[in-house]
Amino acid sequence: AQSVTQPDIHITVSEGASLELRCNYSYGATPYLFWYVQSPGQGLQLLLKYFSGDTLVQGIKGFEAEFKRSQSSFNLRKPSVHWSDAAEYFCAAVGASGNTPLVFGKGTRLSVIA
Amino acid sequence: DSGVTQTPKHLITATGQRVTLRCSPRSGDLSVYWYQQSLDQGLQFLIQYYNGEERAKGNILERFSAQQFPDLHSELNLSSLELGDSALYFCASSLSGRAAEKLFFGSGTQLSVL
Repeated sequence: AQSVTQPDIHITVSEGASLELRCNYSYGATPYLFWYVQSPGQGLQLLLKYFSGDTLVQGIKGFEAEFKRSQSSFNLRKPSVHWSDAAEYFCAAVGASGNTPLVFGKGTRLSVIA
Repeated sequence: DSGVTQTPKHLITATGQRVTLRCSPRSGDLSVYWYQQSLDQGLQFLIQYYNGEERAKGNILERFSAQQFPDLHSELNLSSLELGDSALYFCASSLSGRAAEKLFFGSGTQLSVL
């Protein structure tokens, strides 16, 4: 079955430190991949997406993600975390055929400490 | 602001009751999605509509139904409510419902079944 796994439920980083959130997918063929962020009391907002081509994609708010086919991974990174980055982050995937809906991972909650 | 409006923001009701959640998509978007977010299940896709027609169905219970009206707003009807239906229900919209499209999420309706 198609699935998206985010191994880390909760991560705490210090402000200014680097961040990497992990995401693995299980699909027959490479899906379209997305990262969304959910701030408290808000809906989800798209950070970035990968369809094909350059495996390093840039997104909003200084985030980037790297697609690694060999590892079925699409990890999200940020060089220097700000306190406002504290939120829930969701990795999502959809089959390139478009016949299946967007599937979300269970999310990783990011806490930022001073 | 995503442009997607969900009402009400909060809903408290009793078991066995029926409720209706409403969603107005972003101006120009033809496709509407409903998702249920709970702590144990994460974000689960319920159903998708495109221009008034059902396009995809996910893990939606038979007690739940939805529709998209000619003005493109959508309603999610939940009946015979159970305690386990307590969750955050999100509506999202996109321009044409294609797999690669960015979804714009509303801020959700928090349903509490007591």
